[in-house]
Amino acid sequence: DAGVIQSPRHEVTEMGQEVTLRCKPISGHNSLFWYRQTMMRGLELLIYFNNNVPIDDSGMPEDRFSAKMPNASFSTLKIQPSEPRDSAVYFCASGSPAAGVTDTQYFGPGTRLTVL
Amino acid sequence: DQQVKQNSPSLSVQEGRISILNCDYTNSMFDYFLWYKKYPAEGPTFLISISSIKDKNEDGRFTVFLNKSAKHLSLHIVPSQPGDSAVYFCAASERGSNYKLTFGKGTLLTVNP
Repeated sequence: DAGVIQSPRHEVTEMGQEVTLRCKPISGHNSLFWYRQTMMRGLELLIYFNNNVPIDDSGMPEDRFSAKMPNASFSTLKIQPSEPRDSAVYFCASGSPAAGVTDTQYFGPGTRLTVL
Repeated sequence: DQQVKQNSPSLSVQEGRISILNCDYTNSMFDYFLWYKKYPAEGPTFLISISSIKDKNEDGRFTVFLNKSAKHLSLHIVPSQPGDSAVYFCAASERGSNYKLTFGKGTLLTVNP
């Protein structure tokens, strides 16, 4: 299995531009997570999908952030417009939790975003 | 306010010795705890976990201890190997929200040959 695939691995953009991060979860996993890692806040959950449906987006910082999961094998995280404070490493993770059980989450390699 | 705290940003140990990484939490609703390991330029990978109904879980060289009264857990690595050098994250999930992991900021472990 190829694991969770994220693209691009690095993204450098200018303030005000739209940024789209992509994720392909592990085949057969029905849960998908987007995380952001910064020095100040550490690793924090942005949004959680189950069976392609957003279940918890309480971690999405503001309306400039949006996420979609049009099918079981693809998800995007979009920032529009981007700001320098969005600079961080963004991780996608997938898993298959049984009801009521905390399951292992499998992380992708991350996308390092730099907004100038 | 950080609900999961790893107060040591870094730890250095000699190969063959024990590594002890510590984690404290404040949320009494947490009932499941995990440790993840992260190498540079990679995503975190799951290492070991423990349910709140236990106080110890062991997997090879790795043992996690949970002290619920102190809201403290620790990861012991014995013996430590240079390949264990990585950032270790403690994480916790809450009853009823088992998908939602709250992470500590991590401890960088360096194992010296």
